[in-house]
Amino acid sequence: KQEVTQIPAALSVPEGENLVLNCSFTDSAIYNLQWFRQDPGKGLTSLLLIQSSQREQTSGRLNASLDKSSGRSTLYIAASQPGDSATYLCAVSNTGNQFYFGTGTSLTVIP
Amino acid sequence: EPEVTQTPSHQVTQMGQEVILRCVPISNHLYFYWYRQILGQKVEFLVSFYNNEISEKSEIFDDQFSVERPDGSNFTLKIRSTKLEDSAMYFCASTLDGSPEKLFFGSGTQLSVL
Repeated sequence: KQEVTQIPAALSVPEGENLVLNCSFTDSAIYNLQWFRQDPGKGLTSLLLIQSSQREQTSGRLNASLDKSSGRSTLYIAASQPGDSATYLCAVSNTGNQFYFGTGTSLTVIP
Repeated sequence: EPEVTQTPSHQVTQMGQEVILRCVPISNHLYFYWYRQILGQKVEFLVSFYNNEISEKSEIFDDQFSVERPDGSNFTLKIRSTKLEDSAMYFCASTLDGSPEKLFFGSGTQLSVL
């Protein structure tokens, strides 16, 4: 069974810093990997999806990379802002739609 | 922006009772999902539904669980006889064409089984 791990569990940074969130997974035969954002009291919001054949995806200040062979992905957030404070979840799929989630990284950006 | 709506936001029930969690997916979406998150644990896939039938389900989704699209707008998750360990946040999600990057989640129903 696919196991997804995220480190660190929590991260606190001053506004403006660049930061990296890490995700690792045990079964490299993935179909895709997706990064989500979870805000308290709200659902999950998709940030970036990387297909298994891709190495990275970018959206604005976010960049996600994928190294399938080593079972790792990183989410890079540039010039962090207080509005980036949330829990970031990494999820992988072996079939396309059934996602296995990590426990998330809780990010706090201090003004 | 269109959104997935879930009701109620919080439901409390007694162990052994049946509960129905309701979701209104985005109107033109065709693929529907239920996930759950037990407090402090990972978000877990329960089931996916397309063309009026289950397309995938996890080992969590046993005979106590069922899903239904009773009309053109609602998508429901029924738990027949709730257990304490069913207490969790249940998320409904939908996509138009099955594309995972266009997966929209609702804000969840917090189920508390006493």
